[in-house]
Amino acid sequence: GIQVEQSPPDLILQEGANSTLRCNFSDSVNNLQWFHQNPWGQLINLFYIPSGTKQNGRLSATTVATERYSLLYISSSQTTDSGVYFCAGGFGNEKLTFGTGTRLTIIP
Amino acid sequence: ETGVTQTPRHLVMGMTNKKSLKCEQHLGHNAMYWYKQSAKKPLELMFVYSLEERVENNSVPSRFSPECPNSSHLFLHLHTLQPEDSALYLCATSTSSGTGELFFGEGSRLTVL
Repeated sequence: GIQVEQSPPDLILQEGANSTLRCNFSDSVNNLQWFHQNPWGQLINLFYIPSGTKQNGRLSATTVATERYSLLYISSSQTTDSGVYFCAGGFGNEKLTFGTGTRLTIIP
Repeated sequence: ETGVTQTPRHLVMGMTNKKSLKCEQHLGHNAMYWYKQSAKKPLELMFVYSLEERVENNSVPSRFSPECPNSSHLFLHLHTLQPEDSALYLCATSTSSGTGELFFGEGSRLTVL
């Protein structure tokens, strides 16, 4: 199956800083999603982005399908951005593989 | 009302108990999923239902038994579990199993004693 590698595994930033999270895939995918898991355990879907660039407020994502990676950008970080960010990729939702996540801690 | 609701949020059970986890969705989606999240491991897909028919079963032990009685409800029946089954169990939905964003519930934290 597809291997999904996320980096960095941990990131600690001051409030207001910007960050870039990366997701690499071992093979091509037609389904790529980014999630934020809050401290209570719920995963919130941030982007469905098999290719191209999308933006939603302070968050944006870019997927370069031909090079098998995706980037999540967080600008002007807030403490509520803390949590674990997961990417997942595959062919269809029934074949989606999740990465091990990036734990982001935003310090006031 | 949240899109995907899971109950109970927390469950403690003995190895000989029988319990069930419930997932209810109000999004009108056709596909529903059970995922398992254990410490230090990626999310693992357990079961997929599309239009109330099971389409995926990723070699999950028979002590986990899913049920999808209608398009809005999904259950995970648990019996004779092991301590290593302690984990966060997450329900998710999407418009179809082939594509589309996954929407997750808040999860059910299971502890097996």
